Amino acid sequence: GAGVSQSPSNKVTEKGKDVELRCDPISGHTALYWYRQSLGQGLEFLIYFQGNSAPDKSGLPSDRFSAERTGGSVSTLTIQRTQQEDSAVYLCASSWTESSYEQYFGPGTRLTVT
Amino acid sequence: KNQVEQSPQSLIILEGKNCTLQCNYTVSPFSNLRWYKQDTGRGPVSLTIMTFSENTKSNGRYTATLDADTKQSSLHITASQLSDSASYICVVTSYNNNDMRFGAGTRLTVKP
Repeated sequence: GAGVSQSPSNKVTEKGKDVELRCDPISGHTALYWYRQSLGQGLEFLIYFQGNSAPDKSGLPSDRFSAERTGGSVSTLTIQRTQQEDSAVYLCASSWTESSYEQYFGPGTRLTVT
Repeated sequence: KNQVEQSPQSLIILEGKNCTLQCNYTVSPFSNLRWYKQDTGRGPVSLTIMTFSENTKSNGRYTATLDADTKQSSLHITASQLSDSASYICVVTSYNNNDMRFGAGTRLTVKP
């Protein structure tokens, strides 16, 4: 079956522009996570959606970052007024439920802010 | 077979007791190993990260060890508290495209 997909795979944008990153989780997975991995850094949790519950936004680094999950499926991560420090690989993961530790990751979107 | 195996799958202990969680991996070439704590309904939070040259790392009452030769890691929790009840996830990263492999986690329940 299809895994987690993300688009675009690569995105180059100019500083100050807004970008939208998309994640399509595995069908039936109720939990969806966004992570960021910067060069030389580890995995950084950004935001977590579980079903219809309010998302855990505790990892978002600033108010320029926001995310939505429509219909409990597709999610969009939006970064407004991008900065060079936003350059990173943005990973999306999904799992069956909140108690399923096995997270299935998408291939990521490599964002480069010039 | 998962490249990161954690044990036990679940664990129940009394408040104040110590416990040790295990993580064995086959990921190669090894870059780093992280332990995450994930409270129910929350995203995972990093506890420790260790590279090849590090064999122990502490974060408060949490102490992680790494034996890169045997490819084993442990997370020791001292004087457990009710708030330690969570899932603990071991994540091993490979130098191959920073590929991350997640363990299935250990669900810890601390009872009063």
